[in-house]
Amino acid sequence: QVQLVQSGSELKKPGASVKVSCKASGYTFTTYAMNWVRQAPGQGLEWMGWISTNTGNPTYAQGFTGRFVFSLDTSVSTAYLQISSLKAEDTAVYYCARDPNSRLLDYWGQGTLVTVSS
Amino acid sequence: DIQMTQSPSSLSASVGDRVTITCRASQSVSSYLNWYQQKPGKAPKLLIYAASSLQSGVPSRFSGSGSGTDFTLTISSLQPEDFATYYCQQSYSTGAFGQGTKLEIK
Repeated sequence: QVQLVQSGSELKKPGASVKVSCKASGYTFTTYAMNWVRQAPGQGLEWMGWISTNTGNPTYAQGFTGRFVFSLDTSVSTAYLQISSLKAEDTAVYYCARDPNSRLLDYWGQGTLVTVSS
Repeated sequence: DIQMTQSPSSLSASVGDRVTITCRASQSVSSYLNWYQQKPGKAPKLLIYAASSLQSGVPSRFSGSGSGTDFTLTISSLQPEDFATYYCQQSYSTGAFGQGTKLEIK
């Protein structure tokens, strides 16, 4: 069965970096794109962008350029989200989600809570 | 960018009620409109894709309709497990979500 398993919660200080992983299983990793979605505490879902698992080409939504980087290691069927120069407002749950067709999100990871606090 | 607006933002209803949630796009998204359900502390779950197609395993009391800029999600007879937050999402250009509709027990 399709599973996306994300890395565990992180507590970081402002200015630090964090790398969240999303390991896929139960399907051919390079057949489906991967999207990332942010949810700040008590808030709605924000689409961050997506990465082609075929080409490795990322696309970032407005507001997620510069400090946010999507990457892949196809040898271990894993997608990554790296956030640099962390700010308190980056505190959120970050989800990866499988994309079979143009930003349709059919399977989701369990989410990774990133807390940024001094 | 295309903006998605849901109404209402919150809704109180009783078990057995018929409920409709509306989603409006700032410009046409054709039928590239999806609906998700999220329960507290859990990841979102895909309910409806392409405006009206029911995702596998989703109960038939859920239905979607619309095209262009105006869409609806209908739950024909609310069950206790349906109390959650619902999001629309356009997949026409980006993957932007609406702000969500919280469905609460009356």
